[in-house]
Amino acid sequence: DIQMTQSPSTLSASVGDRVTITCRASQSISRWLAWYQQRPGKAPKLLIHKASTLESGVPSRFSGSGSGTEFTLTISSLQPDDFATYYCLHYSSYSYSFGQGTKLEIK
Amino acid sequence: QLQLQESGPGLVKPSETLSLTCSVSGGSIGSSIYYWGWIRQPPGKGLEWIGSIYHSGNTYYTPSLKSRVTILVDTSRNQFSLKLNSVTAADTAVYYCARGEDLGVAGLGTFDIWGQGTMVSVSS
Repeated sequence: DIQMTQSPSTLSASVGDRVTITCRASQSISRWLAWYQQRPGKAPKLLIHKASTLESGVPSRFSGSGSGTEFTLTISSLQPDDFATYYCLHYSSYSYSFGQGTKLEIK
Repeated sequence: QLQLQESGPGLVKPSETLSLTCSVSGGSIGSSIYYWGWIRQPPGKGLEWIGSIYHSGNTYYTPSLKSRVTILVDTSRNQFSLKLNSVTAADTAVYYCARGEDLGVAGLGTFDIWGQGTMVSVSS
């Protein structure tokens, strides 16, 4: 099974900051990587798929990059709504693997 | 607009079977370009994929739960269901149903539409 490792587990930042979350795969997954945002008590929301394709309606301050085993999610200028938990997800090959999550907190 | 809604008991006794249904509205579960999946999240923890099903009935399960899980589809009711047997406290979680894209030969795609989730507790 492919393991997904996210870092950091917790990130403290302020409104307006630029932040980056990293997800590493235990073996190459090409670009089969998605990013989700989850607010407390809510279902996850798809932000990015195919490593860098922004889902319709997602603000352009969110961006994704990477391929192979290393991927990043960048938020260019944090807004109050962005404080949430973020998960990466490897998909395809008839299985899924989530990262353990990164909680983005207000500093 | 497509919506998914989970339903089922909120409390299950240890060793019994957890049964949930996901009702799909605003679209057909028989669409050939989507899979339908179950994902769970224990309290305060991360997300875990349980399994996915195609409208034809083809299923894919996570290895760690495969021996205890059955996912079925009922296209006439536009629903799919989850059964997890021999539950323990470790199965206590919010259970989500979701729509996943069919990537063809590349396999299973991202989950783009989710239900709101339903909390299931395992306790005597």
